[in-house]
Amino acid sequence: DTGVSQNPRHKITKRGQNVTFRCDPISEHNRLYWYRQTLGQGPEFLTYFQNEAQLEKSRLLSDRFSAERPKGSFSTLEIQRTEQGDSAMYLCASRGGAGTNEQFFGPGTRLTVL
Amino acid sequence: RKEVEQDPGPFNVPEGATVAFNCTYSNSASQSFFWYRQDCRKEPKLLMSVYSSGNEDGRFTAQLNRASQYISLLIRDSKLSDSATYLCVEHTGGFKTIFGAGTRLFVKA
Repeated sequence: DTGVSQNPRHKITKRGQNVTFRCDPISEHNRLYWYRQTLGQGPEFLTYFQNEAQLEKSRLLSDRFSAERPKGSFSTLEIQRTEQGDSAMYLCASRGGAGTNEQFFGPGTRLTVL
Repeated sequence: RKEVEQDPGPFNVPEGATVAFNCTYSNSASQSFFWYRQDCRKEPKLLMSVYSSGNEDGRFTAQLNRASQYISLLIRDSKLSDSATYLCVEHTGGFKTIFGAGTRLFVKA
Protein backbone atom coordinates (compact mmCIF):
# COMPACT_ATOMS: atom_id res chain seq x y z
CA ASP A 1 0.00 0.00 0.00
CA THR A 2 1.57 3.27 -1.07
CA GLY A 3 -0.88 5.60 0.68
CA VAL A 4 -0.51 7.51 3.93
CA SER A 5 -0.62 5.28 6.99
CA GLN A 6 -1.24 6.18 10.61
CA ASN A 7 -0.78 4.20 13.80
CA PRO A 8 -2.47 3.39 16.00
CA ARG A 9 -5.92 3.65 14.45
CA HIS A 10 -7.54 3.94 17.86
CA LYS A 11 -6.20 5.02 21.23
CA ILE A 12 -8.05 5.11 24.53
CA THR A 13 -6.22 6.73 27.40
CA LYS A 14 -6.87 8.16 30.81
CA ARG A 15 -6.71 11.88 31.47
CA GLY A 16 -3.22 12.98 32.33
CA GLN A 17 -1.43 10.30 30.31
CA ASN A 18 0.87 11.00 27.37
CA VAL A 19 0.14 9.62 23.92
CA THR A 20 2.13 9.47 20.70
CA PHE A 21 0.84 8.94 17.19
CA ARG A 22 2.79 8.06 14.09
CA CYS A 23 2.27 9.05 10.45
CA ASP A 24 4.04 7.50 7.47
CA PRO A 25 3.49 9.69 4.41
CA ILE A 26 3.65 8.70 0.76
CA SER A 27 7.34 8.04 0.25
CA GLU A 28 8.17 10.75 -2.27
CA HIS A 29 6.16 13.46 -0.51
CA ASN A 30 8.24 16.06 1.30
CA ARG A 31 5.32 17.98 2.83
CA LEU A 32 3.38 16.73 5.80
CA TYR A 33 0.43 18.13 7.73
CA TRP A 34 -1.28 17.25 11.00
CA TYR A 35 -4.93 18.07 11.61
CA ARG A 36 -7.48 17.46 14.35
CA GLN A 37 -11.12 16.80 13.52
CA THR A 38 -14.09 16.66 15.86
CA LEU A 39 -17.64 15.60 15.05
CA GLY A 40 -19.43 18.00 12.73
CA GLN A 41 -16.32 20.06 12.03
CA GLY A 42 -13.77 20.15 9.26
CA PRO A 43 -10.13 19.25 9.88
CA GLU A 44 -8.40 21.88 12.00
CA PHE A 45 -4.81 22.65 11.00
CA LEU A 46 -2.23 21.82 13.68
CA THR A 47 1.18 21.91 12.05
CA TYR A 48 3.13 21.64 8.78
CA PHE A 49 6.49 20.13 7.89
CA GLN A 50 8.57 20.55 4.78
CA ASN A 51 11.11 17.76 4.90
CA GLU A 52 12.28 17.74 8.53
CA ALA A 53 11.58 21.43 9.18
CA GLN A 54 8.45 22.42 11.06
CA LEU A 55 7.49 25.60 9.22
CA GLU A 56 4.07 26.38 10.60
CA LYS A 57 2.32 25.65 13.86
CA SER A 58 -1.20 26.69 14.80
CA ARG A 59 -1.35 29.25 17.57
CA LEU A 60 -4.25 27.23 18.92
CA LEU A 61 -1.85 24.39 19.64
CA SER A 62 -0.99 24.32 23.31
CA ASP A 63 2.48 23.52 24.58
CA ARG A 64 1.23 20.04 25.49
CA PHE A 65 1.36 19.20 21.78
CA SER A 66 4.61 18.54 19.97
CA ALA A 67 5.35 17.13 16.56
CA GLU A 68 8.54 15.91 14.97
CA ARG A 69 9.73 14.67 11.61
CA PRO A 70 13.33 13.79 12.39
CA LYS A 71 14.50 12.42 9.06
CA GLY A 72 12.00 14.05 6.79
CA SER A 73 10.07 10.81 6.40
CA PHE A 74 7.67 9.64 9.12
CA SER A 75 6.29 12.05 11.70
CA THR A 76 5.11 11.74 15.29
CA LEU A 77 2.58 13.81 17.20
CA GLU A 78 2.79 13.68 20.99
CA ILE A 79 0.19 14.97 23.41
CA GLN A 80 1.31 15.31 26.99
CA ARG A 81 -1.01 15.33 30.02
CA THR A 82 -4.05 14.54 27.90
CA GLU A 83 -7.35 16.21 28.67
CA GLN A 84 -10.87 15.12 27.76
CA GLY A 85 -11.03 17.97 25.26
CA ASP A 86 -8.22 16.33 23.31
CA SER A 87 -10.59 13.55 22.25
CA ALA A 88 -10.78 13.79 18.46
CA MET A 89 -9.65 12.23 15.21
CA TYR A 90 -6.05 13.14 14.42
CA LEU A 91 -5.39 13.19 10.69
CA CYS A 92 -2.11 13.27 8.85
CA ALA A 93 -1.78 14.32 5.22
CA SER A 94 1.13 14.44 2.81
CA ARG A 95 1.72 16.38 -0.34
CA GLY A 96 4.27 16.30 -3.12
CA GLY A 97 6.64 19.05 -4.18
CA ALA A 98 6.04 22.52 -5.55
CA GLY A 99 3.32 22.66 -8.16
CA THR A 100 1.27 19.92 -6.58
CA ASN A 101 -1.61 20.94 -4.34
CA GLU A 102 -3.43 17.76 -3.47
CA GLN A 103 -3.10 16.57 0.09
CA PHE A 104 -3.45 12.82 0.60
CA PHE A 105 -4.90 11.94 3.97
CA GLY A 106 -4.28 8.94 6.13
CA PRO A 107 -7.14 7.09 7.86
CA GLY A 108 -6.55 8.96 11.10
CA THR A 109 -6.02 8.03 14.74
CA ARG A 110 -9.10 8.28 16.92
CA LEU A 111 -8.19 9.40 20.43
CA THR A 112 -10.56 8.96 23.35
CA VAL A 113 -9.53 10.48 26.67
CA LEU A 114 -11.46 9.11 29.61
CA ARG B 1 -15.88 35.18 12.35
CA LYS B 2 -14.58 31.87 11.01
CA GLU B 3 -11.93 32.08 8.31
CA VAL B 4 -13.86 29.74 6.00
CA GLU B 5 -17.62 29.54 6.36
CA GLN B 6 -19.98 27.02 4.88
CA ASP B 7 -23.67 26.30 5.25
CA PRO B 8 -23.65 23.04 7.24
CA GLY B 9 -26.88 21.81 5.62
CA PRO B 10 -27.93 19.12 5.41
CA PHE B 11 -29.07 19.40 1.85
CA ASN B 12 -31.59 16.68 1.05
CA VAL B 13 -32.13 16.33 -2.70
CA PRO B 14 -33.64 13.72 -5.00
CA GLU B 15 -31.57 11.85 -7.53
CA GLY B 16 -31.07 13.88 -10.67
CA ALA B 17 -31.33 17.24 -8.94
CA THR B 18 -28.86 20.07 -9.28
CA VAL B 19 -27.45 21.37 -6.02
CA ALA B 20 -25.10 24.25 -5.28
CA PHE B 21 -22.93 24.99 -2.26
CA ASN B 22 -21.24 28.25 -1.41
CA CYS B 23 -18.32 28.98 0.84
CA THR B 24 -16.93 32.35 1.94
CA TYR B 25 -13.40 33.13 3.01
CA SER B 26 -11.95 36.09 4.87
CA ASN B 27 -8.32 36.31 3.71
CA SER B 28 -8.27 38.28 0.49
CA ALA B 29 -4.62 37.36 -0.06
CA SER B 30 -5.24 33.61 -0.17
CA GLN B 31 -4.12 32.05 -3.40
CA SER B 32 -5.55 28.57 -3.76
CA PHE B 33 -8.89 26.99 -3.06
CA PHE B 34 -10.21 23.46 -3.25
CA TRP B 35 -13.22 21.28 -2.63
CA TYR B 36 -12.65 18.03 -0.74
CA ARG B 37 -15.17 15.29 -0.22
CA GLN B 38 -15.42 13.32 3.02
CA ASP B 39 -17.53 10.21 3.36
CA CYS B 40 -18.82 9.18 6.77
CA ARG B 41 -15.97 7.88 8.98
CA LYS B 42 -13.47 8.26 6.15
CA GLU B 43 -10.63 10.65 5.40
CA PRO B 44 -11.10 13.68 3.14
CA LYS B 45 -10.22 13.32 -0.54
CA LEU B 46 -9.65 16.01 -3.12
CA LEU B 47 -12.65 16.58 -5.36
CA MET B 48 -11.38 19.47 -7.42
CA SER B 49 -9.35 22.65 -7.46
CA VAL B 50 -11.05 26.02 -7.82
CA TYR B 51 -9.91 28.65 -10.31
CA SER B 52 -11.17 32.14 -11.13
CA SER B 53 -11.86 30.98 -14.64
CA GLY B 54 -14.00 28.13 -13.35
CA ASN B 55 -13.26 24.46 -13.31
CA GLU B 56 -15.52 21.71 -14.61
CA ASP B 57 -15.10 17.99 -14.11
CA GLY B 58 -18.00 15.96 -15.41
CA ARG B 59 -21.06 16.79 -13.34
CA PHE B 60 -19.09 19.06 -11.01
CA THR B 61 -18.34 22.74 -11.56
CA ALA B 62 -16.33 24.91 -9.18
CA GLN B 63 -16.02 28.68 -9.33
CA LEU B 64 -14.03 31.31 -7.46
CA ASN B 65 -15.28 34.88 -7.07
CA ARG B 66 -12.40 36.93 -5.64
CA ALA B 67 -14.32 40.20 -5.54
CA SER B 68 -16.94 38.73 -3.23
CA GLN B 69 -14.57 36.22 -1.61
CA TYR B 70 -16.68 33.17 -2.17
CA ILE B 71 -16.29 29.77 -3.76
CA SER B 72 -19.05 27.67 -5.20
CA LEU B 73 -19.58 24.04 -6.11
CA LEU B 74 -22.35 22.93 -8.44
CA ILE B 75 -23.35 19.30 -8.75
CA ARG B 76 -25.60 18.38 -11.66
CA ASP B 77 -27.64 15.20 -12.05
CA SER B 78 -27.02 14.14 -8.44
CA LYS B 79 -26.33 10.46 -7.78
CA LEU B 80 -26.89 8.49 -4.59
CA SER B 81 -23.11 8.10 -4.42
CA ASP B 82 -22.71 11.89 -4.16
CA SER B 83 -24.00 11.71 -0.58
CA ALA B 84 -21.12 12.98 1.54
CA THR B 85 -19.76 16.04 3.30
CA TYR B 86 -18.18 18.63 1.03
CA LEU B 87 -15.33 20.63 2.54
CA CYS B 88 -14.25 24.01 1.26
CA VAL B 89 -10.49 24.51 1.62
CA GLU B 90 -8.27 27.58 1.52
CA HIS B 91 -4.50 27.63 1.20
CA THR B 92 -3.26 30.84 2.76
CA GLY B 93 -0.15 32.62 1.52
CA GLY B 94 1.89 30.74 4.10
CA PHE B 95 1.81 27.05 4.80
CA LYS B 96 -1.49 26.87 6.63
CA THR B 97 -4.49 25.08 5.16
CA ILE B 98 -7.93 26.06 6.40
CA PHE B 99 -10.93 23.77 6.07
CA GLY B 100 -14.53 24.82 6.40
CA ALA B 101 -16.82 22.84 8.67
CA GLY B 102 -18.36 21.12 5.66
CA THR B 103 -21.74 20.92 3.98
CA ARG B 104 -23.61 17.63 4.26
CA LEU B 105 -25.42 16.34 1.20
CA PHE B 106 -27.94 13.52 1.17
CA VAL B 107 -29.17 12.33 -2.21
CA LYS B 108 -32.26 10.18 -1.99
CA ALA B 109 -33.83 7.83 -4.50
